[in-house]
Amino acid sequence: GAVVSQHPSWVICKSGTSVKIECRSLDFQATTMFWYRQFPKQSLMLMATSNEGSKATYEQGVEKDKFLINHASLTLSTLTVTSAHPEDSSFYICSAGGLLNTEAFFGQGTRLTVV
Amino acid sequence: AQSVTQPDIHITVSEGASLELRCNYSYGATPYLFWYVQSPGQGLQLLLKYFSGDTLVQGIKGFEAEFKRSQSSFNLRKPSVHWSDAAEYFCAVGARNQGGKLIFGQGTELSVKP
Repeated sequence: GAVVSQHPSWVICKSGTSVKIECRSLDFQATTMFWYRQFPKQSLMLMATSNEGSKATYEQGVEKDKFLINHASLTLSTLTVTSAHPEDSSFYICSAGGLLNTEAFFGQGTRLTVV
Repeated sequence: AQSVTQPDIHITVSEGASLELRCNYSYGATPYLFWYVQSPGQGLQLLLKYFSGDTLVQGIKGFEAEFKRSQSSFNLRKPSVHWSDAAEYFCAVGARNQGGKLIFGQGTELSVKP
């Protein structure tokens, strides 16, 4: 199966700082990548859809100025959490769309803790 | 509205017993259906998927699921549960040409008694 690498796997940052999370498709080109957020004991909620070379599409209620998404190449999308606050602490997971556009492959996730 | 419902938040079964996790969906287009498993603090592992064809799908780790269009269901089953199956299970639905965009159910936490 296709491999998606997400980095870092965990990060602790101070309140008010910014954190960047990378999502890479290692062995295929992904025109579309997705970013999900998962709070403890909850399901995965789609935050945004990232398309290579264009602006991301954000789901309702997700602040686009706070969660900056860049999809500059067919193998890399980044999520930057700006001015992080403790309530942003969560598990962030990316997925990359497959060639047949029928399924996506998930990264390992990033545990963000804001202190 | 598109949605996925997993009615059981938490299920406990004895090791060696059979398991069925329920999943119902509401989706306008022809659905692509998935089951994922997540261990604490870990990412998602795909157990199985249904796109078309045979409605009984075999997956990894001895899991299977059956797509029933008339009931809008995609229940996950395993004939004999192992202690290592204890985890969180998510049902998800997507559609063709959406590049893998998924809607997830709330998840079912499975505990296994010795």
